[in-house]
Amino acid sequence: GAVVSQHPSWVICKSGTSVKIECRSLDFQATTMFWYRQFPKQSLMLMATSNEGSKATYEQGVEKDKFLINHASLTLSTLTVTSAHPEDSSFYICSAAGPRGDTEAFFGQGTRLTVV
Amino acid sequence: GENVEQHPSTLSVQEGDSAVIKCTYSDSASNYFPWYKQELGKRPQLIIDIRSNVGEKKDQRIAVTLNKTAKHFSLHITETQPEDSAVYFCAAIEKTSYDKVIFGPGTSLSVIP
Repeated sequence: GAVVSQHPSWVICKSGTSVKIECRSLDFQATTMFWYRQFPKQSLMLMATSNEGSKATYEQGVEKDKFLINHASLTLSTLTVTSAHPEDSSFYICSAAGPRGDTEAFFGQGTRLTVV
Repeated sequence: GENVEQHPSTLSVQEGDSAVIKCTYSDSASNYFPWYKQELGKRPQLIIDIRSNVGEKKDQRIAVTLNKTAKHFSLHITETQPEDSAVYFCAAIEKTSYDKVIFGPGTSLSVIP
């Protein structure tokens, strides 16, 4: 299957700083990627849809100025959490549709963000 | 948009017994229903999926059924084993400009040896 790699796997940052998370499709081109957030013992909540060469589409209630998404190439999407606060601590996961336009989603390994 | 509900939220079964998890969805346009298994701190893993033109699909100990009229779909795990213990998520595709995967709230399955 298609491989999606996410980096870093975990990060600890100080309150008020910004953190960038990368999501790469390693063996296929992903026109569209998705970013999810998962709090402990909860489900994956879709934050935004990332589109190569255009602005991201954010889900209702997600602050676009706080969660900056850039999809600069067909293999890379980045999520930047700006001015992070402890309540932003969460598990962030990206996904991409497969190379054949499959409906199946391929997930990155996730990033555990802890803001102290 | 699509809304997916899932029951039960927790499920404990004895090893060897069957486990059933049920989900409902709201958008009649949805046509793809994947099921994921997630272990703590790891990415979701696709375990089985079903498309709306099929009523049932089976893969070894795992089966999924779909009732498109009622907007219900279910996961059945037979002969459960301790390694089946995990959180299971059903999902449906929200058909907009992009196929968004919308997850149910999850079921924490514990298989007791």
